[in-house]
Parts: sequence; structure tokens; C-alpha cells
Amino acid sequence: GIQVEQSPPDLILQEGANSTLRCNFSDSVNNLQWFHQNPWGQLINLFYIPSGTKQNGRLSATTVATERYSLLYISSSQTTDSGVYFCAGDNYGQNFVFGPGTRLSVLP
Amino acid sequence: DTGVSQDPRHKITKRGQNVTFRCDPISEHNRLYWYRQTLGQGPEFLTYFQNEAQLEKSRLLSDRFSAERPKGSFSTLEIQRTEQGDSAMYLCASSQGPYNSPLHFGNGTRLTVT
Repeated sequence: GIQVEQSPPDLILQEGANSTLRCNFSDSVNNLQWFHQNPWGQLINLFYIPSGTKQNGRLSATTVATERYSLLYISSSQTTDSGVYFCAGDNYGQNFVFGPGTRLSVLP
Repeated sequence: DTGVSQDPRHKITKRGQNVTFRCDPISEHNRLYWYRQTLGQGPEFLTYFQNEAQLEKSRLLSDRFSAERPKGSFSTLEIQRTEQGDSAMYLCASSQGPYNSPLHFGNGTRLTVT
């Protein structure tokens, strides 16, 4: 099955700072998602982005499918952005594989 | 769209007991997934269904684990003779899948085995 790497593993930011999270896949994927897991454990969909660029408020994501990576951009970070960010993908109908996550702490 | 529903939210059980969790997917979704997440780790795939057919099982799913999805609607995950290592968050997701379909997760069932 595919392998998923995420970087950085941990990130500490001051409120208002910008950040970029990266996700690399060992093989091509046709489904790719970014999730935010809040302190209560709930996985919240951020983006479904198998290719291209999407934006939602202060967050945006870009996937370069041919190079097997995706980036999540967080601008003007807020303390409520804290939590763990996961990317996950599947390879043409197989199960979704998750990366190990990036743990983000935004300090006031 | 009422979202994916999981029951119970929390379960505390003694080692050796059997437990059963339920997941109700989004109604028009034909794919249903079970994942397990331990502290500090990403969700790990356990199994998934396409309608009522169980298409894939992870090696994580020992003989003590069984999942069903009768009639292709809700699903149950049963763990027999629980062990302390089974303590984890059990997450259910559904999708309209298999292709070009995002996963939608429930809030999970947190299992503690004492």
C-alpha cells in the first residue's frame, strides 16, 4: 500500500503567523483529503483536493498529483487552529491511508 | 445530511469482556470504513464495506475483531475478549465512493479497557 509522510511533525506559531504543512505520497493517489483533528478527537474535513488548488477563508491547499505531494497553507493563524492536521489518500478504490500528522500549537 | 453517527461515544470495559460499537453512515453513502486511532498516532485502517460486502481487512484486525454491515446500512464492530491494548478511539467513516469521493467521519467511540 501507499506510504504517507507529513512534515513538520510539530509546529509552534505565534498567533498571526503563516505556515505551510506538507504531505508526500509514495505512489499516485486519486483521492486526497486534509483533516483537522480538534482536542476532542473529532476529524474535521478541510479539503478534498486530489489535484489543483482550493481556498477556504484563511486556509488553502495545493496538490501536485504528478509529483505526489500536497501542501496546506494556514495564514494569520489563530489559537483555534491548534490541533493535529492529517492528510490521507487512497490509490484508486483502496482504503484511505493517513499520514502521522502535524501537531500545531498556536500561542496567543 | 445528518452526518455519520457513532454509538456509544465512550465505553469502559474490563479486560476479557466483549464490546460492540455501532456506526450509522450518511444515508446515500455505499462505502463504510472503520479506523482505529491510538494516542499520538494517525488513524489506522481496519476494514471497509462496499454496501454489505466486506472488501478488505487489515492485519490489525485479529480474530477477536469482527465487523458486519447487514443490508448495507449501519455497521457494527465487535471486539471479543478485550485486552488493554485494544484501548483506542474507534472511528467510522463513510463515502459515496470508491472514486473521487471524500471520507466523512463520525465523532468516534473511545474505548478504555481496564
